[in-house]
Amino acid sequence: AAGVIQSPRHLIKEKRETATLKCYPIPRHDTVYWYQQGPGQDPQFLISFYEKMQSDKGSIPDRFSAQQFSDYHSELNMSSLELGDSALYFCASSSGQGARGWTEAFFGQGTRLTVV
Amino acid sequence: GNSVTQMEGPVTLSEEAFLTINCTYTATGYPSLFWYVQYPGEGLQLLLKATKADDKGSNKGFEATYRKETTSFHLEKGSVQVSDSAVYFCALSDTSGTYKYIFGTGTRLKVLA
Repeated sequence: AAGVIQSPRHLIKEKRETATLKCYPIPRHDTVYWYQQGPGQDPQFLISFYEKMQSDKGSIPDRFSAQQFSDYHSELNMSSLELGDSALYFCASSSGQGARGWTEAFFGQGTRLTVV
Repeated sequence: GNSVTQMEGPVTLSEEAFLTINCTYTATGYPSLFWYVQYPGEGLQLLLKATKADDKGSNKGFEATYRKETTSFHLEKGSVQVSDSAVYFCALSDTSGTYKYIFGTGTRLKVLA
């Protein structure tokens, strides 16, 4: 079965550079979430999109932006990178809010970003 | 706001021991509850879920029951294996009309042969 695809899997950037992470949701999933997981930490919610519109915003720095495109893939753009941005970035997708509540989110393998 | 509290790890058990990882939550309304597992170097995988009170989620020998009266969703397994070594995250679906999941801090499980 198709899963959530994230690219790249690993990324090394220098301070003050820019990074773009991509996420391809499971086909027919209309909701995408981005999470940041620091070393030994729980995933922290950054932002989500439903039907190509931003639906919620978490602890996402102003240096970061994201969007969901017409084909439902999403990109997380990170500028002026800092050492503290080094983390595992997860994308997840779901089929939105079902009639009886939530459908579970399926996570990608993550992109490990290292800022040096 | 909504939140999830998990027991701190690491939890170290011998193979075939009984496992309990405690999870309690605070939420308005009726969230769905989930357990995700993260193996080393991998992403989060859904282990089990429960969408309403008294529901029991189960998968791969793991079980958890949605207890509204105690706001708990404890994870249990009768006999753990070395291959169960991973980090386990309890999570709930936000009930405030937004599209996000809220995770606990994770509990690392190490099973020794």
